[in-house]
Amino acid sequence: QVQLQESGPGLVKPSETLSLICSVSGYSISSGYYWGWIRQPPGKGLEWIGSIYFSGSTYYNPSLQSRVTISVDTSKNQFSLKLSSVTAADTAVYYCARSRRLGSGSNYFGDWGQGTLVIASS
Amino acid sequence: QSVLTQPPSVSGAPGQRVTISCTGSSSNIGAGYDVHWYQQLPGTAPKVLLYGNTNRPSGVPDRFSGSQSGTSASLAISGLQAEDEADYYCQSYDSSLSGFVFGTGTKVTVL
Repeated sequence: QVQLQESGPGLVKPSETLSLICSVSGYSISSGYYWGWIRQPPGKGLEWIGSIYFSGSTYYNPSLQSRVTISVDTSKNQFSLKLSSVTAADTAVYYCARSRRLGSGSNYFGDWGQGTLVIASS
Repeated sequence: QSVLTQPPSVSGAPGQRVTISCTGSSSNIGAGYDVHWYQQLPGTAPKVLLYGNTNRPSGVPDRFSGSQSGTSASLAISGLQAEDEADYYCQSYDSSLSGFVFGTGTKVTVL
């Protein structure tokens, strides 16, 4: 059974870069699937940040694309998120997830990490 | 701002049936993209409840069912139980945004 675990600083200063890692166990990233990041501001809804295929192909939420980089390290079985120039609006619980592709071509997030709270504040 | 709109809250007595709507547009649900539903219990990560409009992962009770028509989708919970009290989100793909979109979320309260 796949397990995902987010890690990284819980506090980031405004204008700096938020960096998180998702460590995957129970499944080899290089075997397939898409891997993504979703965030949830306190008391608010879910927002998809971006996803990466095991081969390295990425696609991002257009509203965040200019600030987001997602990469994969198959040797460590991890994928990471970098979000630059953070502001208070980036304060949220950040989740990593594995998405499954259906025959119809659609993707859903079938497995989630527990989430990590990142606060953007000086 | 989400492109998928849900009612902020729904409530029902134990045993009742409640439905949650997810209204989209011609660039997402109306374009034929699948709708998926997630349940988020307080303080926990979301969990997939339904995928591909109507399919339940192993372990999800058949009290949960989904449907889709036109530019909208619905999640129905029959035989409402106290443990169903949670936030529920729909999710699809939007071709105009070229990405995944979540609904605004609905809080289900069991009276």
